[in-house]
Amino acid sequence: KAGVTQTPRYLIKTRGQQVTLSCSPISGHRSVSWYQQTPGQGLQFLFEYFSETQRNKGNFPGRFSGRQFSNSRSEMNVSTLELGDSALYLCASSLAAGLAGETQYFGPGTRLLVL
Amino acid sequence: DQQVKQNSPSLSVQEGRISILNCDYTNSMFDYFLWYKKYPAEGPTFLISISSIKDKNEDGRFTVFLNKSAKHLSLHIVPSQPGDSAVYFCAAPHNTDKLIFGTGTRLQVFP
Repeated sequence: KAGVTQTPRYLIKTRGQQVTLSCSPISGHRSVSWYQQTPGQGLQFLFEYFSETQRNKGNFPGRFSGRQFSNSRSEMNVSTLELGDSALYLCASSLAAGLAGETQYFGPGTRLLVL
Repeated sequence: DQQVKQNSPSLSVQEGRISILNCDYTNSMFDYFLWYKKYPAEGPTFLISISSIKDKNEDGRFTVFLNKSAKHLSLHIVPSQPGDSAVYFCAAPHNTDKLIFGTGTRLQVFP
C-alpha cells in the first residue's frame, strides 16, 4: 500500500507570492491533517479535513487555508508569503477523523523556502 | 504556550550506551503520549506510546517512562545504535483531534 505522498517536495518562492501544496493520503484514508515544522517551534497543527470539511483549525492566520477533494486528496494554500513561512509542511492521513496519534501516517513533507 | 516541551535540542551518545530523551508537559488533561522518530527528508514515524494509566511501556530497545506527578516522560534507548540517529519528538493528542508536539531532540549516536 502506497504511503502518504506530498508534492512538490521542495519549493522556493518570494515574499508576497502564494503557494499551493498537495497531499494524497493513503488509499482508504479520509482524514488529512496538516502541520508546519520550523526549528524551535517543532510541529504545529494547521488544520484537519474530513469528508471535504474542515474539522479543526490551529492558531494560524487566515493566509493559511486548505481544502479537501472528494477523493480525499488535500491541498493547502498560503497567500502573501512571508519569510517566516519558510518551513517543512507535513500532512498526515488517517482512516477517520479524530484519530490523532499512532494511527496517523505522515508524508515526507514539502520544504518551502521564502526569499 | 508550549504545552509539550523538550528542553534538550540535542544529545550525543556513544554506540551501545543508553540514550535518554526527556519531555515535559503542562496540560494535566493529556492522558496519552507518543514518541516519533524523524529522519531528514522523511515524515515522522510513530515509535512508541504510553497511556496515563501506566508508568512504563517497553518495546524492544525502546522504553518510555511516565511520571504523572512531575508531568514528565522519558524515552530510553538501550543499547543505542548509529541507526537511531534522528530527531525525536514527543507528542500528546489534544481532544483526539490534533497532536501537540514538542520541539524535538536531535540524537546522534557515534561509534
